Amino acid sequence: GENVEQHPSTLSVQEGDSAVIKCTYSDSASNYFPWYKQELGKGPQLIIDIRSNVGEKKDQRIAVTLNKTAKHFSLHITETQPEDSAVYFCAASIPGGFKTIFGAGTRLFVKA
Amino acid sequence: NAGVMQNPRHLVRRRGQEARLRCSPMKGHSHVYWYRQLPEEGLKFMVYLQKENIIDESGMPKERFSAEFPKEGPSILRIQQVVRGDSAAYFCASSPAENTEAFFGQGTRLTVV
Repeated sequence: GENVEQHPSTLSVQEGDSAVIKCTYSDSASNYFPWYKQELGKGPQLIIDIRSNVGEKKDQRIAVTLNKTAKHFSLHITETQPEDSAVYFCAASIPGGFKTIFGAGTRLFVKA
Repeated sequence: NAGVMQNPRHLVRRRGQEARLRCSPMKGHSHVYWYRQLPEEGLKFMVYLQKENIIDESGMPKERFSAEFPKEGPSILRIQQVVRGDSAAYFCASSPAENTEAFFGQGTRLTVV
């Protein structure tokens, strides 16, 4: 089955710097890759997603890149702000698949 | 359009009791997923349901756990004879179709004492 690995587990950056979180997946059939942000005591919230027919997608300060050959995808947050502090999860799912497999999460700290 | 609604938000049960967790998907969503999250860990898939059908329950323990999504009403995750190891946050998500974006509820935090 699909396996998703996520690095780093913890990331600390200074306000205004960029943050990059990387994930790899094992099933080459995976074609949908969402990213979720989870704040303390809340449910995960979808922040951006990408499908395998594109290599990059951007939404304001957030961008995601996908390398299908290498089977890895990354989340980039530019100009980080303290409110970006949260746990971020990457995930992967396959067409016709019935479950999305999540990475273990990255705890991001943005220091003011 | 209200989001995914889960209740209760917090549930305390004694060992051996039953826990019932409810999830109302977003309007128009017929696909429901249940995940379990232990403290400081990621989300582990448990079960995927469509209306009146269990599609994939490969992540759900074979004993004591069951799930349903009736034609009318919310999806229910039921844990019988709870043990301390069942303490976790249980999240429900819904989507309009498979392999599309899923929206999560706020979760139910189960504590077994």
